[in-house]
Amino acid sequence: DAGVIQSPRHEVTEMGQEVTLRCKPISGHNSLFWYRQTMMRGLELLIYFNNNVPIDDSGMPEDRFSAKMPNASFSTLKIQPSEPRDSAVYFCASSLTIAGGFDNEQFFGPGTRLTVL
Amino acid sequence: GENVEQHPSTLSVQEGDSAVIKCTYSDSASNYFPWYKQELGKRPQLIIDIRSNVGEKKDQRIAVTLNKTAKHFSLHITETQPEDSAVYFCAASHPFSGGYNKLIFGAGTRLAVHP
Repeated sequence: DAGVIQSPRHEVTEMGQEVTLRCKPISGHNSLFWYRQTMMRGLELLIYFNNNVPIDDSGMPEDRFSAKMPNASFSTLKIQPSEPRDSAVYFCASSLTIAGGFDNEQFFGPGTRLTVL
Repeated sequence: GENVEQHPSTLSVQEGDSAVIKCTYSDSASNYFPWYKQELGKRPQLIIDIRSNVGEKKDQRIAVTLNKTAKHFSLHITETQPEDSAVYFCAASHPFSGGYNKLIFGAGTRLAVHP
């Protein structure tokens, strides 16, 4: 298995531009998570999908951020318009969640390093 | 709200010494406690985890202990090696509506092992 795949690995954009980050979870996993990592705030959960449905989006910073999961093998995180304070590493992670919420390991992708100028 | 505190933020040890990282959590309903290692520029990777029905788990040089009464858990690395140098994150599960759980991460500990 190739693991969690993210693209692009690096993104440099100018303030005001739209940014789309992509994620392919591990085949067979039914939970997908988007995290943001910064020195100041550490690892923050942005949104959690289970079976392609958003379960918790309380971590999404504001309306400029949106996420979709149209099918079990693809998710996007979009920022529109982007701002310099959005600069961070964005990780996608996936896991197999068993009924009743029994936790299993979350596997992280390589991350996308976003720089907004 | 839910919170995980991690100490120390930085830790420097000599090769061969032991390293201990401690975390406390606030949600008494937490029942899963993973530890992740993140090398510079890389993704976090699980190194060990423990569930609330056990008090200790060991895997070679790594061990984790859990005290549910006090709501704290610790990572112990023995016979440290330079390749153990990384940032270590603890996490605690936080249940919410629908029977789902999410992980709340600590702020991380930067461990440096000097030859």
